[in-house]
Parts: sequence; C-alpha cells; structure tokens
Amino acid sequence: AQRVTQPEKLLSVFKGAPVELKCNYSYSGSPELFWYVQYSRQRLQLLLRHISRESIKGFTADLNKGETSFHLKKPFAQEEDSAMYYCALSLHGGATNKLIFGTGTLLAVQP
Amino acid sequence: SQTIHQWPATLVQPVGSPLSLECTVEGTSNPNLYWYRQAAGRGLQLLFYSVGIGQISSEVPQNLSASRPQDRQFILSSKKLLLSDSGFYLCAWMGNYNEQFFGPGTRLTVL
Repeated sequence: AQRVTQPEKLLSVFKGAPVELKCNYSYSGSPELFWYVQYSRQRLQLLLRHISRESIKGFTADLNKGETSFHLKKPFAQEEDSAMYYCALSLHGGATNKLIFGTGTLLAVQP
Repeated sequence: SQTIHQWPATLVQPVGSPLSLECTVEGTSNPNLYWYRQAAGRGLQLLFYSVGIGQISSEVPQNLSASRPQDRQFILSSKKLLLSDSGFYLCAWMGNYNEQFFGPGTRLTVL
C-alpha cells in the first residue's frame, strides 16, 4: 500500500545547527515527492518538489530510491524556519491524481 | 494568476445541523479539486477529490459529502453534523506538475 512516514512529530534544534526532517515512502511505482510547509497562521504551501532538484530557502531534498527516502535538509537552521513540514507522495494514473501526506513534523528552531 | 478561496473562515455549528463549506478557484479552468481535513498529529486526510463537474471520488466513508456544481466550485456538505466532524478543512487544486495549492482553510467546531 502507498504510504508516507514522517517518524518525528517534533524536531527541536538551535539556530545555526543542521536540520534533517525525515521522510520515507512506500510505493510500487515511480515516486514523485514534495515537501510542504505551514508557517504559523499561514496557509499550507509548497516548499519544493524532487523533480525540480531545487534549493528553496536553503532547503534541499534528495530522492533515494534504494532507501525509499526523501529527507529534507538544511545546513544552518534559522528561527524563521520554525514551522510544520509535511512530506507528500503523488499518486497519478488513469482517473487517479492525488497526494498522500505524512503526519508532519513540527520544526522548532531555538535562538 | 490562480487563486483559491474558502469560506467561511470559521464556523461553529450545533450537533445535528447541516453544513456547507465552499471553495472556489480563479485563474484556471477544469482543475482537479480536493477536500482535506487537517488534524493535529494526523496530518492531512484526503476526503474527496474531483476531476470535473459532477465527478466526485470519496476517499473515506464518513458523514460528509461533496459536490462540484461548476467548474471552479467545490462544496463540502453534511446533512447532520457530528461532534467528530470538528476540524480544519482545506481545499486545494492541482497544478501542472502534480503539486497542489491550498486555500486558507475553514475551522469548524461542532458543539
């Protein structure tokens, strides 16, 4: 069955420390993955997609098919990075076109 | 540019009362539309999605229903609300690369 797992509900780090938010997926097809972020009192928004291989706000994520992972990383955390982060897997084919989300990780960056 | 609206922003309803939440999209035609419920610690649960007018797919059995009377309008309804229907409801549309863009959400409290 298709599934997205984010094992950490909360990740607390100090400003300037490296950050890694874990995401593992289960999918028999070719995976297409995204990271979404929700800052306090703001709507859920797309952070990055694996297919673009981009760096957004200093964050990167590499798809590792061998480990079925798509961890989100940033070398130096900033206080403004504090937010809820969701990993999502795209399911598409035929009439199906939807995202499956993980349960989310709350990142708290301490001063 | 595309925008997505949801209303109302907050709603307090008694148990057993009906519900109608509305979502509209501007700046795009024939979008795939989605209703999610977001709960703390449980991530985003996909409730319904629609690939066109009158076409609704239900993801989980529940007390809710959805309709798409117009191309850019998606409605979430209930005939009789339950306490367990309380939550934060998000509407989304799908872009060209399988990413989704979210509305501001509706906070529903059933008393």
